[in-house]
Amino acid sequence: DTEVTQTPKHLVMGMTNKKSLKCEQHMGHRAMYWYKQKAKKPPELMFVYSYEKLSINESVPSRFSPECPNSSLLNLHLHALQPEDSALYLCASSQGRQNAYEQYFGPGTRLTVT
Amino acid sequence: QQQVKQSPQSLIVQKGGISIINCAYENTAFDYFPWYQQFPGKGPALLIAIRPDVSEKKEGRFTISFNKSAKQFSLHIMDSQPGDSATYFCAASRDTDKLIFGTGTRLQVFP
Repeated sequence: DTEVTQTPKHLVMGMTNKKSLKCEQHMGHRAMYWYKQKAKKPPELMFVYSYEKLSINESVPSRFSPECPNSSLLNLHLHALQPEDSALYLCASSQGRQNAYEQYFGPGTRLTVT
Repeated sequence: QQQVKQSPQSLIVQKGGISIINCAYENTAFDYFPWYQQFPGKGPALLIAIRPDVSEKKEGRFTISFNKSAKQFSLHIMDSQPGDSATYFCAASRDTDKLIFGTGTRLQVFP
């Protein structure tokens, strides 16, 4: 099974809402990533978890809060977002950080902030 | 130094033709150069990757050419098909470091 799943597929939220994005993989991968992708742009790294510990935070605003409850799950908690945060949020995994070149991406969550 | 430059931004090719996308990098510490393919509404998928000690790697219709001295690499898609229409990202990584993506090339293959 080489699939990374993400829920929900689409999310519309107001600026005062709290919501969470979920990501799951069952490939036994020990590194997991959150990316933000704007239209016609490459994915932009937000966070990296390695062995369930946060190893990279790309200076992301605190209104985005990642969580890795176990080796298969990755969450992104959202609070008080701005309209400019509207984007496709991608989750990815790799065997380990040493295999960062070979990442498996989920289909993404299309987020709209109103 | 962390950038990967990619060109062209968009590419239109006729079915059966050769699609060529070019990338250039500055950081000689990069040790893997993957290409990702992304269809609309989907996440990127690894297409093919090369290490800097190899000058060429071929997988089916997809070939990476690598020029270490020029710090350039390119993706060739032979016999391009309409199903190849997608956005292609070159990338670079170093050991346990993150992936650095190029800006992307939107490829359209017309029948």
